[in-house]
Amino acid sequence: QSALTQPPSASGSPGQSVTISCTGTSSDVGGYNLVSWYQHHPGKAPKLMIYDVTKRPSGVPDRFSGSKSGNTASLTVSGLQAEDEADYYCGSYGGSNNFVFGTGTRVTVL
Amino acid sequence: QLQLQESGPGLVKPSETLSLTCSVSGGSMISDNYYWGWIRQPPGKGLEWIGSIYYTGTTYYKSSLKSRVTISVDTSNNHFSLHVNSVTAADTAMYYCAKLHSFFWTDYWGQGILVTVSA
Repeated sequence: QSALTQPPSASGSPGQSVTISCTGTSSDVGGYNLVSWYQHHPGKAPKLMIYDVTKRPSGVPDRFSGSKSGNTASLTVSGLQAEDEADYYCGSYGGSNNFVFGTGTRVTVL
Repeated sequence: QLQLQESGPGLVKPSETLSLTCSVSGGSMISDNYYWGWIRQPPGKGLEWIGSIYYTGTTYYKSSLKSRVTISVDTSNNHFSLHVNSVTAADTAMYYCAKLHSFFWTDYWGQGILVTVSA
């Protein structure tokens, strides 16, 4: 099970939007609507931001949104804020009781 | 509020066994939708799912680690454990324990514990 592919970095100015892609295969991202996204500030526990492709857990701002097309899922952060600067990882059910994470994207707020 | 806390040695010698425990507080480990898992992050690298366990004891492992990994659960004492045998420097990582919802996403994480494999 190979890691899902994410761009190493993304950036935007405060108030702008940034979109992170997560590319897998038809065996994981494309095969199930079970993509999740995690925000990870160094030294802290990762935090669930999106699950089931588009759903937000309670307490996550609606500035965070998810989508999927084919084998690629995306996370969009709108109205960027300084506290959004972090590493972001996608994850997906990979079938046959497997789970796979993405390679991670560092988001920088300029 | 559910809380998870990893514990165990921070230094393990090559070829030996890495053993970690995750203590769960603030809730029961038993639920139809609750899976418990281990995830690691080598220095400078991304997250890697190691494996998960259902409260009944059914286990699921990443295929490339399956031969060296064992996860067990003790619901009566609210904890689950990870054992990785024959460790090498490649097993050096921050290890996180986590609760998975229906196996498909991770909604609670421990703070992580750094384990270094070195003589």
